[in-house]
Amino acid sequence: GEDVEQSLFLSVREGDSSVINCTYTDSSSTYLYWYKQEPGAGLQLLTYIFSNMDMKQDQRLTVLLNKKDKHLSLRIADTQTGDSAIYFCAESMGSNYQLIWGAGTKLIIKP
Amino acid sequence: ETGVTQTPRHLVMGMTNKKSLKCEQHLGHNAMYWYKQSAKKPLELMFVYSLEERVENNSVPSRFSPECPNSSHLFLHLHTLQPEDSALYLCASSQDPAYSTEAFFGQGTRLTVV
Repeated sequence: GEDVEQSLFLSVREGDSSVINCTYTDSSSTYLYWYKQEPGAGLQLLTYIFSNMDMKQDQRLTVLLNKKDKHLSLRIADTQTGDSAIYFCAESMGSNYQLIWGAGTKLIIKP
Repeated sequence: ETGVTQTPRHLVMGMTNKKSLKCEQHLGHNAMYWYKQSAKKPLELMFVYSLEERVENNSVPSRFSPECPNSSHLFLHLHTLQPEDSALYLCASSQDPAYSTEAFFGQGTRLTVV
């Protein structure tokens, strides 16, 4: 069955780059997503990438997709304390609105 | 205000209790969702409503009973829950089920079953 896996924790120093990784099993994924959940808040869509793209950049965020290895990553440049959150990776198969979610990676920022 | 409001924020209930979770959205959306978020587990989609009709029910035990009286309100009625049902329950809404990925999420209800 479909599966999305992420590390549960990532700790980085303020000002460094954070790289959050995700692997998925279903090669028919059409879109892959990153969601952010700040403490005490609901999830919000951060960015997404279509499966025929390799990279997408949006200000401090860079999404890299390696379709061959079924690996997705989210790079946050110049990590700030406000980036502390849980980051969820998710995939969809396009016609089915149900997303397959990872368990989330908690990003911890050290001063 | 986030657009999607859930009440209560925290709930502790015994296994024999009956309680309800409430979700309200004033975004003009037609689709509403209940998700279960357990620690260290993927988010689980429980129910999807589109124009007040249930369109998805992901093998959720009958001790969870959803209700959607109108497109702005969604309830999750709880009865005879188990300790393993303790989790964060998230409500979300979107313009249409086809746009579930652009859903707006509420802050969740932290449920503890004792």
